[in-house]
Amino acid sequence: GESVGLHLPTLSVQEGDNSIINCAYSNSASDYFIWYKQESGKGPQFIIDIRSNMDKRQGQRVTVLLNKTVKHLSLQIAATQPGDSAVYFCAEGGGGADGLTFGKGTHLIIQP
Amino acid sequence: EPEVTQTPSHQVTQMGQEVILRCVPISNHLYFYWYRQILGQKVEFLVSFYNNEISEKSEIFDDQFSVERPDGSNFTLKIRSTKLEDSAMYFCASSGEGHGTDTQYFGPGTRLTVL
Repeated sequence: GESVGLHLPTLSVQEGDNSIINCAYSNSASDYFIWYKQESGKGPQFIIDIRSNMDKRQGQRVTVLLNKTVKHLSLQIAATQPGDSAVYFCAEGGGGADGLTFGKGTHLIIQP
Repeated sequence: EPEVTQTPSHQVTQMGQEVILRCVPISNHLYFYWYRQILGQKVEFLVSFYNNEISEKSEIFDDQFSVERPDGSNFTLKIRSTKLEDSAMYFCASSGEGHGTDTQYFGPGTRLTVL
């Protein structure tokens, strides 16, 4: 069946370095992609989203890249801080009442 | 900043009992959702709700589950006869309407423990 998944379960980076978290999706009809951050014991927190008609979108310290040719999505976090430690999920949906399909999550660990 | 709220934060129940999980979505949002997350696993979609009816539901959302918007602010998830495997975090989410407002904002979750 269709799925959204992440390549790596854990990513460890040095504080101040840039982080790149990857995600692959298999539904070529996917229209809307979102990155969420989840800290322990909390709900998913929206970070940034992108629609299929875009290749790149930037936010504050974060950039999402979408490569529709290979069905790949990435989240780049600049100058990683201790507060960035969390599990990051990519999700895919169609907007409106469509439920989101989440990937398995990548645990980002920040080394001092 | 408006946010989704959920109550209770933790619910413990005996197998076979009914539970009702409550959510207050963001006030001007029109789409409402329930998701669950079994410990250590990914978030899974259960159901979406729009215009006072279910819009979409997953295979998980069987006859034991129901949703209701009893008034203008609350959105509830009822599990009629809980099973051990229903133990999970349950998240409510809401979103606006129209292009550019599809972002789903999640509440803090209710941890359901079925004994």
